[in-house]
Amino acid sequence: ETGVTQSPTHLIKTRGQQVTLRCSSQSGHNTVSWYQQALGQGPQFIFQYYREEENGRGNFPPRFSGLQFPNYSSELNVNALELDDSALYLCASSFSDRVYSGYTFGSGTRLTVV
Amino acid sequence: KNEVEQSPQNLTAQEGEFITINCSYSVGISALHWLQQHPGGGIVSLFMLSSGKKKHGRLIATINIQEKHSSLHITASHPRDSAVYICAVRSGGAQKLVFGQGTRLTINP
Repeated sequence: ETGVTQSPTHLIKTRGQQVTLRCSSQSGHNTVSWYQQALGQGPQFIFQYYREEENGRGNFPPRFSGLQFPNYSSELNVNALELDDSALYLCASSFSDRVYSGYTFGSGTRLTVV
Repeated sequence: KNEVEQSPQNLTAQEGEFITINCSYSVGISALHWLQQHPGGGIVSLFMLSSGKKKHGRLIATINIQEKHSSLHITASHPRDSAVYICAVRSGGAQKLVFGQGTRLTINP
């Protein structure tokens, strides 16, 4: 079975620009969650997609948006980048119907905003 | 106060020592995860618990649902165990993960 793949692995953007991060979910999983991890901190929940619909959102502004595709892969879009958006962005997939079997995490995308 | 608190935040030990990392949470949960994060950033799931105790090799995880507390133990620690260990609980309407701040473990040879 395949794992979770995130791309790109590293990215440098300028303040005010827009960025799209991508995540392929593990085969058989139908839910994707995105997390932001600032240096030295635990990950913070951004939002979650289940069967192409957003079904939960953390305390992040609307310039953080996402999509989930029919193959359950996902994108995270951030508009009007700010310096504080510099972080590791983690994607995790899971199967969220009757049986919960845990999460598989990607290796993350490290975003630097300058 | 964070919903998930870990202690200690940093732990340095000598090879061979028995290691304990603690996690307390204040919300209702459906599951608790212990995760390992290496310097590159990738996260590996070590355990998923909803009750009792699990063991995998030198790692043991326990959870006390009534006390809202979990512990991760490492027996015969080794330098390759050096990493950040994160406790995360599955909670809330969206069943999202809420993470602790992590414990940075360093095992010296």
